[in-house]
Amino acid sequence: TQLLEQSPQFLSIQEGENLTVYCNSSSVFSSLQWYRQEPGEGPVLLVTVVTGGEVKKLKRLTFQFGDARKDSSLHITAAQPGDTGLYLCAGARGYSTLTFGKGTMLLVSP
Amino acid sequence: AAGVIQSPRHLIKEKRETATLKCYPIPRHDTVYWYQQGPGQDPQFLISFYEKMQSDKGSIPDRFSAQQFSDYHSELNMSSLELGDSALYFCASSGRGFNEQYFGPGTRLTVT
Repeated sequence: TQLLEQSPQFLSIQEGENLTVYCNSSSVFSSLQWYRQEPGEGPVLLVTVVTGGEVKKLKRLTFQFGDARKDSSLHITAAQPGDTGLYLCAGARGYSTLTFGKGTMLLVSP
Repeated sequence: AAGVIQSPRHLIKEKRETATLKCYPIPRHDTVYWYQQGPGQDPQFLISFYEKMQSDKGSIPDRFSAQQFSDYHSELNMSSLELGDSALYFCASSGRGFNEQYFGPGTRLTVT
């Protein structure tokens, strides 16, 4: 059973469209991190959210942590081909290891 | 900014051979994590070390061992390699404070 459920698993959109990726769990996390990974490369940390209800913005990316700290979302505005990649959410409890979701593979076509 | 360094980047071994993967964390990071990622899979946690002591253990096979040295670099030793060990192996490091893990570029291990 996957502790963190990500949806959708795959997303193919045109440049300029908006999208939202969801990361849901029945467990509470002390922090949640979002990573982007390109094929054959290591995941790159995008953001860490810690406080329930927290919203963080990174240029065209908006990250939100649920009030109960069980879920999170990533919204991309006006997607660009450079946004293509595998987006992974990962939850942590205290200083324990991360639990990853299965990831959302995003393809943005010109 | 300095990142996590892993070596080698690619490794080809035959079944039953041994392999050693090295990881150099970001300076001043005291915790190292090892992950295995198969094709189309999310990273699976293997083992972690904090201040040179094993801090957590995941799905690491008994054939694998790891340690963290006094300079905080870590090595993952893999023996009796099997075809199923072919994967990307990532090392990540974190410092004090929140559990933000920074990943290295990975080592692609191919067992033939």
